[in-house]
Amino acid sequence: DAGITQSPRYKITETGRQVTLMCHQTWSHSYMFWYRQDLGHGLRLIYYSAAADITDKGEVPDGYVVSRSKTENFPLTLESATRSQTSVYFCASSERTEAFFGQGTRLTVV
Amino acid sequence: GNSVTQMEGPVTLSEEAFLTINCTYTATGYPSLFWYVQYPGEGLQLLLKATKADDKGSNKGFEATYRKETTSFHLEKGSVQVSDSAVYFCALKDGNTGKLIFGQGTTLQVKP
Repeated sequence: DAGITQSPRYKITETGRQVTLMCHQTWSHSYMFWYRQDLGHGLRLIYYSAAADITDKGEVPDGYVVSRSKTENFPLTLESATRSQTSVYFCASSERTEAFFGQGTRLTVV
Repeated sequence: GNSVTQMEGPVTLSEEAFLTINCTYTATGYPSLFWYVQYPGEGLQLLLKATKADDKGSNKGFEATYRKETTSFHLEKGSVQVSDSAVYFCALKDGNTGKLIFGQGTTLQVKP
């Protein structure tokens, strides 16, 4: 299917565990983004990527790691999950102007 | 650095009322500006965009004009419907880095 997909849609993990959220897009867009959405904070940029093998920090990168070995994939890893990382995570991709968003991953850290 | 500031919500209106949601930005260079909408339980969808000063974006009765002199991109609709109830996000894309940042979002509730 064409578009941008995130997996899993829902995840519950324990404090201290490593967890990876997946993002895949079929358009070959250059740019990809990861956001977290929390009540009262809107969408905050975690990391973004301008192309394969090029990534840069956003507003709230601490505790997260990204990679982009292929243009179509942009996984986000929480190396040691904390309760404060409980959130809804959105991935997006874009080319020249607007971005297209995935459906989100709701992550709960217990 | 770049930033986007939106008016605080929630905004509650009666059906057919006029809507304005204020958005101002700080940016270097010439960013592109966007309004996105998020319906309950869904991801974000592009509502409208403007890529240069004085451009007017429009879609589904919503409009916003890119005002460089006041660094604003206010969202307006002449007559809202119950189905417009959603969270609205203003965003800018840095023309140099491609970085896309969002305001805090404004919740709109339209009552019949």
